[in-house]
Amino acid sequence: GAGVSQSPSNKVTEKGKDVELRCDPISGHTALYWYRQSLGQGLEFLIYFQGNSAPDKSGLPSDRFSAERTGGSVSTLTIQRTQQEDSAVYLCASSLDGTDLREQFFGPGTRLTVL
Amino acid sequence: GENVEQHPSTLSVQEGDSAVIKCTYSDSASNYFPWYKQELGKGPQLIIDIRSNVGEKKDQRIAVTLNKTAKHFSLHITETQPEDSAVYFCAAPGGDSNYQLIWGAGTKLIIKP
Repeated sequence: GAGVSQSPSNKVTEKGKDVELRCDPISGHTALYWYRQSLGQGLEFLIYFQGNSAPDKSGLPSDRFSAERTGGSVSTLTIQRTQQEDSAVYLCASSLDGTDLREQFFGPGTRLTVL
Repeated sequence: GENVEQHPSTLSVQEGDSAVIKCTYSDSASNYFPWYKQELGKGPQLIIDIRSNVGEKKDQRIAVTLNKTAKHFSLHITETQPEDSAVYFCAAPGGDSNYQLIWGAGTKLIIKP
C-alpha cells in the first residue's frame, strides 16, 4: 500500500513569501505529526493531530506557522512571511492511533529553502 | 521535561564489525524507546523499539538494550554491512503527552568497506 506522501519535494522561495506544504498520510491513520529537521539536527516537533480532537500546536515556533487537517486526512502546513531561518526539511508522519506511542510512518519530507 | 542525548554524533566502523550507539534520557517515567534509521533523502523509519518492561530486544543483527536505573538505552548492530550506513535517531516520550517523542540529535554511521 501507499506510504506517507509529501509535496512538493523541494521548494525554493524568497524571503517574505508564504508557502504551503502538503502531507497525505496513510489511509486509516488517525494521528498525524509535523516535524522540522534542520541540517544535521534531530527532529523538532511542530504540531500533532489526532482524529477530531483539537491539535497540539505547542511546537510551532511562531505565529507565522499554522497547520490544518481536513476531513481527518490530508494536512497542510503553512508558513507565512518566510524567513531564512525557516530553511529546513519538513517531515510529516502518521500513526495508526495516537493515543499510545507506537510506530510513526514518515514521508520523504519537503526541503524548503528561503533565499 | 524530557531531555534525550545521543552519542556519538558520527561513528565509522569497518564492515563486519559491530556498532553501538547510546542515548540517555532524563524522565524516569519514560516507558517507550524507539530507534529510527534515516537514509539520505528519505524520512526516518522505525527499526526497533523497546518498552520499559524488558531489558533487551533483538531482531536479527539489531538489538536494543535498556538500563532503567542509569536511564540509558543503546542500539547494537552486529556484522555491519554497507547498507547499514545511515543516520540513526533515538527517541523517548516527551512531556505530559502520551503521543509526543523527544528525539536525539542523531548518529551518522559510516560503514567502511
